[in-house]
Order: sequence, then C-alpha cells, then structure tokens
Amino acid sequence: DAKTTQPPSMDCAEGRAANLPCNHSTISGNEYVYWYRQIHSQGPQYIIHGLKNNETNEMASLIITEDRKSSTLILPHATLRDTAVYYCIVRVGNNFNKFYFGSGTKLNVKP
Amino acid sequence: GAVVSQHPSWVICKSGTSVKIECRSLDFQATTMFWYRQFPKQSLMLMATSNEGSKATYEQGVEKDKFLINHASLTLSTLTVTSAHPEDSSFYICSAHLGPGQGSTMGYTFGSGTRLTVV
Repeated sequence: DAKTTQPPSMDCAEGRAANLPCNHSTISGNEYVYWYRQIHSQGPQYIIHGLKNNETNEMASLIITEDRKSSTLILPHATLRDTAVYYCIVRVGNNFNKFYFGSGTKLNVKP
Repeated sequence: GAVVSQHPSWVICKSGTSVKIECRSLDFQATTMFWYRQFPKQSLMLMATSNEGSKATYEQGVEKDKFLINHASLTLSTLTVTSAHPEDSSFYICSAHLGPGQGSTMGYTFGSGTRLTVV
C-alpha cells in the first residue's frame, strides 16, 4: 500500500472549515484514499473514501487532485467535537489484507 | 451500520496474570479481524491478523506466544495477553473488514478499544 504524508498538527477555529492535506505521491491506479479519525481513547471512525472523483457525505468532503498524488479532507464547519487525530490511508479498495496507520494529523478545533 | 463490539473497555490486572479481550462483529460476519496496539501519543500499530478457523498471522516483532489470538467463529475474535507485565499496558483495538456485499470499499470498522493497565 502507498505511503502517506500528513502534517503532525493543525489548528482550526470553531465554525470555520478545516482543510486537512495528505500527500500520497506513490499511489497506484487501483488504490483508494481513505480517511479515518480517532477521538481520544476511542477506536478509529470511518469518515470518507474515494478513488478519483471528489466525494461528499454528511461528515466531510474529499478532494482528490487530478494526478491523485494528494488529497484534502474538508470539514465544512468544524466543531469542538471534531478535535481528533485524522488519518489518511491509501490502499486497494477490495483488498481484505492489512490496514496500516501512519502518524496522522492532530486537529485542534479552538473556540 | 456494521458494528464491532469490544470488551472490556478497560481492565486492570496484576503483573504475571493473563487478560482476555473480546471482539465481536454484531451484525455481519468477519472472516478476518485485526488487532492493534496503541501507546500514548502514538499511532495504531498492527499486531496481528486473525483468521476464522486458522492460525493468526503476526507482524514482525510481535510475540505470538504472548499475544494469543483465537478466531473460533465468524463473529468473535479474542486476544489474550499472557503473563502480562507493566510494559504491556496499552490501548488495544480490534477491527474487522466488511467483506463482499457488505460495503467492502468502506474498508474497516473498529471496536471502541480496551485500555489495559498492568500493575
């Protein structure tokens, strides 16, 4: 699975959009981009995933560049409850094998 | 949606004793489950892959005799930390893959984790 690079931490004001970047320059054509988050002392929570096209759900939007070498997770109106570590993971979508986590980005939403 | 239930949520045990952690898929069958360990302020580290009806496969550096994994049914995997020591104190998390027909491209769903403290 392709390696990802994320900034270690980011701050965001409550109510503003949080834009979390992820670099995955070695991504392969059949690899999806997944985003999970982990709130302190809880298990990771699925947020969104995509292959080529931008995706949006009730939690967030995922913007994938045309060359697919990077992506951005957007939380449109961050709340204090969105404070968490956000993990960007790249892997084959229907591969039932191992799922590795990188170091992630600690998002601090401030009042 | 698919739910993985993990118990207990926290446990304190004496050094030298064994502790069992359960991971159940509540509304789907999981032929494969995964166990992670997480130390404070660190990312999740994959420990092993639990396969229903066969032996677990362990990541490099993880002692299989210390971390016993049993996956006897399609809905239950257990991790037993044997002869626990203070350095085994950690946050243990299980996950399961939603297989074909169960939203497989969504990846994995995770348990809520077990905080183990060995005193």
